[in-house]
Amino acid sequence: GAVVSQHPSWVICKSGTSVKIECRSLDFQATTMFWYRQFPKQSLMLMATSNEGSKATYEQGVEKDKFLINHASLTLSTLTVTSAHPEDSSFYICSARGGGQGSQETQYFGPGTRLLVL
Amino acid sequence: AQSVTQPDIHITVSEGASLELRCNYSYGATPYLFWYVQSPGQGLQLLLKYFSGDTLVQGIKGFEAEFKRSQSSFNLRKPSVHWSDAAEYFCASNTGGFKTIFGAGTRLFVKA
Repeated sequence: GAVVSQHPSWVICKSGTSVKIECRSLDFQATTMFWYRQFPKQSLMLMATSNEGSKATYEQGVEKDKFLINHASLTLSTLTVTSAHPEDSSFYICSARGGGQGSQETQYFGPGTRLLVL
Repeated sequence: AQSVTQPDIHITVSEGASLELRCNYSYGATPYLFWYVQSPGQGLQLLLKYFSGDTLVQGIKGFEAEFKRSQSSFNLRKPSVHWSDAAEYFCASNTGGFKTIFGAGTRLFVKA
């Protein structure tokens, strides 16, 4: 149980185009989803937290208009990188956490999406 | 502020040898603690977690971790390392809010 999928697993796009990454919780309802960015040989950097049906909460320094997050259902969140540029190339990882009170619910991670902007 | 420290950027052990990866947390109360493993190009897989109770936690793949309040530590151990254990390991904590804080990671190399 507790499987999170991401699609696509990798994407190459031209500079200026937009890219959408999907994150799905396959066997549980994810009230909260998280989007991370990971640079080579570094830890995860939290970009934003999204709760189903509400606007995402972005971390300081993350551009809301550039990284659009939608959490329209309890099993799906999307991250759209708008007008992508080479510096947006990175490994993007989503994670999901189920419902319930407190923070005891564990975050389950997707396999990640490698984005390369040419 | 809450923080997680993994003092070792990388560790090399021989196959079959024992392993201990260090993790220290900084928080007034006892946080919820996790260890994740990441293989190259992959997402993170949960190895084990500690919320309360028995301070020695068993996880998957033969890993265990011990919570030591006096040392603010949650070190990960394995008695006999296999070549397939080579990966990046992340310690993480959550103090009751939404945000999980990750350590910088420790890369494990396994030599034959």
